Amino acid sequence: DQQVKQNSPSLSVQEGRISILNCDYTNSMFDYFLWYKKYPAEGPTFLISISSIKDKNEDGRFTVFLNKSAKHLSLHIVPSQPGDSAVYFCAARVMYSGNTGKLIFGQGTTLQVKP
Amino acid sequence: EPEVTQTPSHQVTQMGQEVILRCVPISNHLYFYWYRQILGQKVEFLVSFYNNEISEKSEIFDDQFSVERPDGSNFTLKIRSTKLEDSAMYFCASSEPAEETQYFGPGTRLLVL
Repeated sequence: DQQVKQNSPSLSVQEGRISILNCDYTNSMFDYFLWYKKYPAEGPTFLISISSIKDKNEDGRFTVFLNKSAKHLSLHIVPSQPGDSAVYFCAARVMYSGNTGKLIFGQGTTLQVKP
Repeated sequence: EPEVTQTPSHQVTQMGQEVILRCVPISNHLYFYWYRQILGQKVEFLVSFYNNEISEKSEIFDDQFSVERPDGSNFTLKIRSTKLEDSAMYFCASSEPAEETQYFGPGTRLLVL
């Protein structure tokens, strides 16, 4: 079951530069895509989301881009800071009746931002 | 800022024993979820819960699992007879009505020996 895939297990960037994390999906029924950040021994922390009807959403240093034809999304962090070092998960929502849904997660990408 | 809390943070149990994992969702949220992450694997959906009943469950969520909202604040996951393969990090999450964002607790690390 590889509905959501993050092909890069790790990424290392210099402080102040751009970090680009990528995610691919296979299911056209996803209605929202979300990015979560996770530190060791903590739960996933919500960062930013995007509706399947949009192609870009921005929140401060974080921007998510959605390319529906390619079934691809990316998270851009500009400028990257050492505190951004964490595991980043891409997740996609599948909706059910009654407004409940479940999140399908990618494997995660470990970002290291070097000072 | 409101947050989801979970207890205990760690639980060690013997195979075959029952465990109850507890969660306090964010107070105005109405949708509740359990996920788990086996070491080195993806975070996996287990179950969603709304209006005092299960909305959706995964194939992992078999008869050994149950969820309950025993009062106005707690949301529990019970594993009746634990197996070695139940060892994982269990995350509770909650969300507001019609909102896509699910907010996660810090997790309970369950180790079955």
